[in-house]
Amino acid sequence: DIQMTQFPATLSASVGDRVTITCRASHSIGNWLAWCQQKPGKAPKILIYKASSLESGVPSRFSGSGSGTEFTLTISSLQPDDFATYYCQHYNSNSRTFGQGTKVEIK
Amino acid sequence: QVQLQETGPGLVKPSETLSLTCTVSGGSMESYWWSWIRQPPGKGLEWIGYIYYSGKINSNPSLMTRVSMSVDTSKKQFSLKLNSVTTADTAVYYCTGTSPRGRDYWGQGTLVTVSS
Repeated sequence: DIQMTQFPATLSASVGDRVTITCRASHSIGNWLAWCQQKPGKAPKILIYKASSLESGVPSRFSGSGSGTEFTLTISSLQPDDFATYYCQHYNSNSRTFGQGTKVEIK
Repeated sequence: QVQLQETGPGLVKPSETLSLTCTVSGGSMESYWWSWIRQPPGKGLEWIGYIYYSGKINSNPSLMTRVSMSVDTSKKQFSLKLNSVTTADTAVYYCTGTSPRGRDYWGQGTLVTVSS
């Protein structure tokens, strides 16, 4: 089974900061990785699919990169609406595995 | 744009069967992978399994023995049954649909509480 390791678990940052979250797969997964944002009491919202494709309607300050085993989500300039928990997920037609999540907090 | 809506009882007794249905709109059931995901209160996300329009199923090995899924393409619905539930199965349950190009759509989720 593929294991996903996401870090950091918590990130304290200020509005305007550049933020990077990393996700590492135990085996190569190509580009079958998505990033989602979750706010308390709400369903996860997909930001990035296939490692680097920006979902429709998602601000361009969000970007994803990587392939194989190492992936990153970057927020170029953190906005007040971005304080939330972020998850990476490996997905394909056979299985799906989630990272442990990164909580982005106000510094 | 694919939209999904979960429906089912919000309260299930221990040892009984949890049953949920997901209704799909705006997409073709024949093209997508349909899945169930859950999130216990205050915890992370756990994949339960996939079902395809053909009825083929892939399940999380940790839940495989208790999970059954079905699909009804004529009603544009797919369903989850989880038997012998315990309080550890209390969670928000989400249904999702994934396109062949990797776009992933989620329902709003439904809380299922296991309690006597």
